[in-house]
Amino acid sequence: GESVGLHLPTLSVQEGDNSIINCAYSNSASDYFIWYKQESGKGPQFIIDIRSNMDKRQGQRVTVLLNKTVKHLSLQIAATQPGDSAVYFCAESVRNTGNQFYFGTGTSLTVIP
Amino acid sequence: NAGVTQTPKFRILKIGQSMTLQCTQDMNHNYMYWYRQDPGMGLKLIYYSVGAGITDKGEVPNGYNVSRSTTEDFPLRLELAAPSQTSVYFCASSYPLGGLVAEAFFGQGTRLTVV
Repeated sequence: GESVGLHLPTLSVQEGDNSIINCAYSNSASDYFIWYKQESGKGPQFIIDIRSNMDKRQGQRVTVLLNKTVKHLSLQIAATQPGDSAVYFCAESVRNTGNQFYFGTGTSLTVIP
Repeated sequence: NAGVTQTPKFRILKIGQSMTLQCTQDMNHNYMYWYRQDPGMGLKLIYYSVGAGITDKGEVPNGYNVSRSTTEDFPLRLELAAPSQTSVYFCASSYPLGGLVAEAFFGQGTRLTVV
């Protein structure tokens, strides 16, 4: 299967600081990437996506950066809030494997008030 | 605004029992998926479907079966439950977008314990 992994399994940040969550992927043919947020006891929820023809995409308080040269993806959360505490997954979609997403292990983000 | 609905939310099975995890979506999405999530791990794809009457295996299909007789429903069947199938199961749906697949919408999950 595909290899989508995260550098750090846990991350703790102070409320108000910026958070950076990293993700490495192995398949250079990946077309599309999505960041999901999963709160305890719930299903994953879409945060932001980026296609392989882009380097950066911004949403509300979140930015995703894609570095295709080193096959690296990051999610930046500005002014982290307690409600941001969750597990964050990156998911990779590869065109030649059909309509599937492969998920990494996840990073658990804890926001300290 | 139901989205993706999974039932039941919790279930305890004895080894060798069978059960069906139900999943229905009201967004008219073509694509549906079943994932399992073991503690502290990411999601592994079990089966997926690109439309009614079409199903295909994902990364970890052994011990499971699916059917897709309608666009809305995508049940997951466990025939002979084993302790290794203890997990949280998520159903998701999506749709085609510009040659790619749009983001998946997930249900709330079914927590299954096999004892």
